Amino acid sequence: GQQLNQSPQSMFIQEGEDVSMNCTSSSIFNTWLWYKQEPGEGPVLLIALYKAGELTSNGRLTAQFGITRKDSFLNISASIPSDVGIYFCAGQPYNFNKFYFGSGTKLNVKP
Amino acid sequence: KAGVTQTPRYLIKTRGQQVTLSCSPISGHRSVSWYQQTPGQGLQFLFEYFSETQRNKGNFPGRFSGRQFSNSRSEMNVSTLELGDSALYLCASSPREGYNEQFFGPGTRLTVL
Repeated sequence: GQQLNQSPQSMFIQEGEDVSMNCTSSSIFNTWLWYKQEPGEGPVLLIALYKAGELTSNGRLTAQFGITRKDSFLNISASIPSDVGIYFCAGQPYNFNKFYFGSGTKLNVKP
Repeated sequence: KAGVTQTPRYLIKTRGQQVTLSCSPISGHRSVSWYQQTPGQGLQFLFEYFSETQRNKGNFPGRFSGRQFSNSRSEMNVSTLELGDSALYLCASSPREGYNEQFFGPGTRLTVL
C-alpha cells in the first residue's frame, strides 16, 4: 500500500535556527499539504502545494513540491518557541480521493 | 467563517459500549473525512463522505461506521468498543469530494476503559 516516509522523526533545536523536514512517497502525488498539530488540538493547515516544483511561503515557513512529484520539503526559518509542535505532511495520489499522512516530525525549540 | 466543530471533545467509555461522535464541517463544505490518531499508528484514514454517500473507506473493521446528513454534518459510530479504540478521532472537511485542502476539527478524545 501507499507509504509516506517523513523525516526526521524529531528535532531539538535552538531558538533562531532554521529547520528542514521532508516527506517522500513511493508513488506520484498530485497534492502535498503541510500541517502543524499542537497538543490536544487538531492539525492546522500551513501550506498547500499543487504543482511539481511549486515553492510556497507562509511567513517564516516555506514548502516545496518536489519535481519528481514523489517528495515535498518544509523549511522553517529563524525558529521561535511557538513553533513547537508536530508537523505532518499529507499527500494525495493522482486521481485518487484520499490523503495519506506522514508519521510526523516533532519539533522542540529551546529558548 | 466558523471552522470544523466536533462534539464531544472528550469521552470516556467502557469496553463493549458503543459511541457516536459528531462533526459539523465548515459552511459550504460538502466532503467530510474521519481519521483515527494514536501515538503508535499516527493518522489513519477511516472514511470519507460526500453528498451523504461514503466515497472512500480505510482498513478498519465493520464496528466503525459513519453517515452524513443532507446539511453535510457527519457522525461516526463505533460499536462494541475495545481498549485499542482509545484515540483522538479527527474530522476534516473539504469543499469538494476528496480533493483540495482538508481542514481539521479539534478532535474527540475517546478513552476506553
